[in-house]
Amino acid sequence: DGGITQSPKYLFRKEGQNVTLSCEQNLNHDAMYWYRQDPGQGLRLIYYSQIVNDFQKGDIAEGYSVSREKKESFPLTVTSAQKNPTAFYLCASSHGSGPSSNEQFFGPGTRLTVL
Amino acid sequence: QQPVQSPQAVILREGEDAVINCSSSKALYSVHWYRQKHGEAPVFLMILLKGGEQKGHEKISASFNEKKQQSSLYLTASQLSYSGTYFCGTENYGGSQGNLIFGKGTKLSVKP
Repeated sequence: DGGITQSPKYLFRKEGQNVTLSCEQNLNHDAMYWYRQDPGQGLRLIYYSQIVNDFQKGDIAEGYSVSREKKESFPLTVTSAQKNPTAFYLCASSHGSGPSSNEQFFGPGTRLTVL
Repeated sequence: QQPVQSPQAVILREGEDAVINCSSSKALYSVHWYRQKHGEAPVFLMILLKGGEQKGHEKISASFNEKKQQSSLYLTASQLSYSGTYFCGTENYGGSQGNLIFGKGTKLSVKP
């Protein structure tokens, strides 16, 4: 079955620790995205990548880092510099980067809690 | 700029209709609609491109008024399964292609 997987579903970390969230897709999509969702705030774009080995900052990139070494993988690292990391993190992917083909498919999300 | 959705929340009885609006302060190239159940991933409903197209999906349809920079989602004869939070995502002219700015969502509750 084609889709997007994120792991783990729930993650607990101590303050000051870096943590990496996994996102893998087997849809052969070129573009991948990371969003953060907080209650009542909708989805806010952290980083996006339209091709392998290239990525761009979204609206709230501070305190986060990404890599795109493979087409199917787009891991997100939440660093200790992120002031309020507790949130629901969603990964998405889409065909290409053109507007007519960018229906986004979302993974199940990772709920990160920093204690 | 984040699009503004209205209303923030709506409660319906099964079989009733609802309209959810999405307005932007910037010129829009496209509007996307998604529905998210609690604790789950958003699910794609439809894309509307410039040109005032109206698209439909069973009893859920939407319109896009490019001039007014807004889109509306119409849910007719609502079913219990329609409950969830609806998000619009807008793609602006001049923005990076493929990137969406999402509204804060409209929570829809359908009661029996």
